[in-house]
Order: sequence, then C-alpha cells, then structure tokens
Amino acid sequence: GQNIDQPTEMTATEGAIVQINCTYQTSGFNGLFWYQQHAGEAPTFLSYNVLDGLEEKGRFSSFLSRSKGYSYLLLKELQMKDSASYLCAVMDSNYQLIWGAGTKLIIKP
Amino acid sequence: ETGVTQTPRHLVMGMTNKKSLKCEQHLGHNAMYWYKQSAKKPLELMFVYNFKEQTENNSVPSRFSPECPNSSHLFLHLHTLQPEDSALYLCASSQGTSGGNEQFFGPGTRLTVL
Repeated sequence: GQNIDQPTEMTATEGAIVQINCTYQTSGFNGLFWYQQHAGEAPTFLSYNVLDGLEEKGRFSSFLSRSKGYSYLLLKELQMKDSASYLCAVMDSNYQLIWGAGTKLIIKP
Repeated sequence: ETGVTQTPRHLVMGMTNKKSLKCEQHLGHNAMYWYKQSAKKPLELMFVYNFKEQTENNSVPSRFSPECPNSSHLFLHLHTLQPEDSALYLCASSQGTSGGNEQFFGPGTRLTVL
C-alpha cells in the first residue's frame, strides 16, 4: 500500500530552527509537496520538489532524496505565526496526491 | 471574490436530511477536487474533475454525489449521511492534474451529522 509518515507533533522555540521529516512509500513518484495549515483554515502551498536536493524559499527550505523516499521541511528563524500543521503529500504514478496526517508544530516564546 | 470559496462554512444536519455543499474557484483552473479531512487523519481524496469530467471516484459511498456543471463550480450533494461522515470537507482546484500543479484550497465546510 501507499504510505506517508511524518511526526504527529513537534515543539520548537521562537527564533530557532526546526526540521520536519517525511518518509514515503508510493506507487510511482511525480513530486512531493509541502503545505501549511493553520487551525480552522485552508491548507496553503509551501513547496514542490521533484528532483533531489534542497529548494530554498526565504525562511523555508525543502529537501528531497528520491532514493531514500525521504523529504524534510526546514523552518528557520521561527516566528509565533509558524505555529500550524505541516502536511507532506506525494504525487503518485496516477498523478493523485497521497497525504500524510500532518505534523502539528507548536512554537513557544 | 478571489481564490477558492466554499459555502456554507458550517453545516449541521440530521441523518435523513439532504443538503449540498458549494465550491467556486476564481483562478481559471481546469481541475477541481473534493477532500474529506478528519481529525488527525490524512486528507482523503473523494472526487476529481478535470475539464468538467469526473476522472476519479475513490470508492466514495453513494450518499455523496458530486456535480460539476462547469470548470468553475463544484457541488457535493449529501443525503442520508452517517455520524461518521462528520468532518471538514475541503474543495481544491489546480491548473491541471499532472505533476507540479499545486492545488489551491478553499476554507472548507465543517459538517456535523447528528
């Protein structure tokens, strides 16, 4: 079966760095997405990786290793507004998104 | 209106009621999706429409019936639901359905079935 694993919850301190990991086993691979979802709101797109390596976008970076079935989202200079759930999703060979259950990130002052 | 809108935002219904959820996208996209989001569970894809044609139906019970009259509008008709159908129902759209097409989500309808 297809499976996306990510930690259920993480806690970090304002101003620090946090890395959220995602491992996947899917039938085929057409890219990996990271979304941010604040409580009670819609998920919003953060990043897309289809080739191995690191993609940097401001305070957020996303890394992919296709051979290891692994990705991480790196958040730097954490702010209180970064408290949210972070969703990892992989597009399979049928171009369907397979979603993880999300990682709830709690930022403490 | 911009982005993806959904109405109503909250809905409480009995098991014998019939109701409909509405989604509208103002992005000129060609694909639209219905997802179910339950607490601490992954998003579950329910239906996909591409150019108004249904391309996916992920074994969704027949008490959920989608309708896509044009590329901008998507409905989810509900009838004789069960309490376990209580969840957040999210609509999304994308330019296409192939790789790299990010999906834009609406705010969702919080559904409670009594």
